[in-house]
This record gives sequence, structure tokens and C-alpha cells, in this order.
Amino acid sequence: DTAVSQTPKYLVTQMGNDKSIKCEQNLGHDTMYWYKQDSKKFLKIMFSYNNKELIINETVPNRFSPKSPDKAHLNLHINSLELGDSAVYFCASSPPGSYEQYFGPGTRLTVT
Amino acid sequence: AQKVTQAQTEISVVEKEDVTLDCVYETRDTTYYLFWYKQPPSGELVFLIRRNSFDEQNEISGRYSWNFQKSTSSFNFTITASQVVDSAVYFCALSEINTGKLIFGQGTTLQVKP
Repeated sequence: DTAVSQTPKYLVTQMGNDKSIKCEQNLGHDTMYWYKQDSKKFLKIMFSYNNKELIINETVPNRFSPKSPDKAHLNLHINSLELGDSAVYFCASSPPGSYEQYFGPGTRLTVT
Repeated sequence: AQKVTQAQTEISVVEKEDVTLDCVYETRDTTYYLFWYKQPPSGELVFLIRRNSFDEQNEISGRYSWNFQKSTSSFNFTITASQVVDSAVYFCALSEINTGKLIFGQGTTLQVKP
């Protein structure tokens, strides 16, 4: 069973389009995160939700909007895609009080 | 400010050599967690270890060992008798205690040649 899954794995789209990346975890964790890994491999937090409530919004352009329909899902919607949005986006989850994060396989977004 | 520094951008060794990956961190928290993750060429992030700030005991897991020294704010990772399969990018990370977010170092690319 996949613990943290993301769809799609690859996403190629044109500038100006709107796209979504979905994340699901079947671990029963309360907290979920989105990280962005740029072309230099640098990983940076974007958002965190705890039990469907936004707790971290890390100076991300408002073209990025996370949505958590329930605590097992955290989706990322991106409006008006730009070239600089090209990156690998990782979803992660963690159990209460653990601080250990379980990462999904990543979604490679390419904006042309 | 909270920060993690991995000064070694790339390391290349020959199989069976030992290799140490350095990690230095800065934090204002008295309680915190440190992590190492491995990112192989396939791209996923693989958890290796978690260490809390109150536990300075070194840890060994097979060929992997970790040296945590609070006095120098370092959490170094050693691979003994390296193998080609160890080739990957290795990330050190610090957990911000209030939010749980991970602050990553820049990563060290390890290449193990046969």
C-alpha cells in the first residue's frame, strides 16, 4: 500500500494555464505539507495543514492555493502558471507530535 | 534564524571508502529535531534518521552512523564501506518545533564509483 501518493507524477503544461496536483495519505496522520524542490535541488516548505486547517503559508504567491477537503487529502492548485513554477513538488504527512515526515513520490511540473 | 548548512556540494569516492557528510545547523529553539533524508536518482525522499536535541548519543545502523554534537551544532553522517547504491543526494534537515516544518540544507550529492 502506498502511504503518501501524489497525482500526477509528471505534469507538462503551458504558461498561463491552471493546474492541480493531488495528494493523499492513508497513514491517519493529522498534518500534511507541500514542499517545492527547485532545479538546484533546494527543498523549501510551501504550506502546512493540520486537520484541514492552514498553519503554514510560507510567502508563496497567491497563485498557489492549497485545499484540504479532509485530513487525508491536501491538494495544490496553481493559477496562471509561470516558467519559474517548474519544479518538483513533494507532499508529506506526519503523525501528531512526531515531527517525522513521510514524503510522497513527488510531482515534476514543467511549464513551457 | 533557523538554518541548515551542508558545506559539501558534491563528494566523489570509490567504492568501499568511508565518507562523512557534514551538517551544521542554527536554531533558537531549545528543543528541536534533526533529520537525514536520502534522495536517490529515482527522485523520492527516503527518511534515514531522526534525532532529538536531548539525545546526543551517536547512532549506528548497519553501514550508516550519525554523530550529533550539540556543542558545535553539528549532525554529521558517515557511510562506512560505501557502495554504488549509496550514490544519491543527501539532505540534512531541522524541524521547527512550533510548526513541524522542515528546514533543509542545500544537499550533498554523493557519487560512489565502482
